[in-house]
Amino acid sequence: GQQLNQSPQSMFIQEGEDVSMNCTSSSIFNTWLWYKQEPGEGPVLLIALYKAGELTSNGRLTAQFGITRKDSFLNISASIPSDVGIYFCAGPTYNYGQNFVFGPGTRLSVLP
Amino acid sequence: DARVTQTPRHKVTEMGQEVTMRCQPILGHNTVFWYRQTMMQGLELLAYFRNRAPLDDSGMPKDRFSAEMPDATLATLKIQPSEPRDSAVYFCASGFLPDGTSGGAAKTQYFGPGTRLLVL
Repeated sequence: GQQLNQSPQSMFIQEGEDVSMNCTSSSIFNTWLWYKQEPGEGPVLLIALYKAGELTSNGRLTAQFGITRKDSFLNISASIPSDVGIYFCAGPTYNYGQNFVFGPGTRLSVLP
Repeated sequence: DARVTQTPRHKVTEMGQEVTMRCQPILGHNTVFWYRQTMMQGLELLAYFRNRAPLDDSGMPKDRFSAEMPDATLATLKIQPSEPRDSAVYFCASGFLPDGTSGGAAKTQYFGPGTRLLVL
């Protein structure tokens, strides 16, 4: 089945730094979603992308839908301590179930 | 502020006991998903409902797990009998897929806070 890979698996950065992470797939996706999960909570949708090449921002977050449709990128500018969490990418599969597949996540730690 | 709600938030039980987890999707949503999250496997889809009808439960161990939607405001996930390997966080998510839409899953999914299950 379709699988997503995310890199890096984890990262430690200083407050104020910019962050970049990416998500790749061996299959083409027509939607990319980026979620953030904080400890003890469910994933929260950050950004949804629906078109190849699309660049969408949500505050300090910017995500791009790769031209090949096999990857997506998430950038966080001027990180703050509350950015700590696990960032997941997800996309819909086209198996008969039409469900979503999630990447393994990038764990972000922000040092003050 | 519409949210997916899940109960209970935490559950500790002994092996062999029945566990029932409940989910109230966001009002107006017509798709409901059950996921299991573990450190080793990440987020795994267990079951998927559209308009209360089960469309995909291939990720669910059939012998002990069952998922139902008695009505549009309630989805349940049951484990009977529970085993220690079932210990995980179980998330419910809901979304909206217009009727008549062919292909493509609900554009977005909104997750509940999860039920943390520990089977001793």
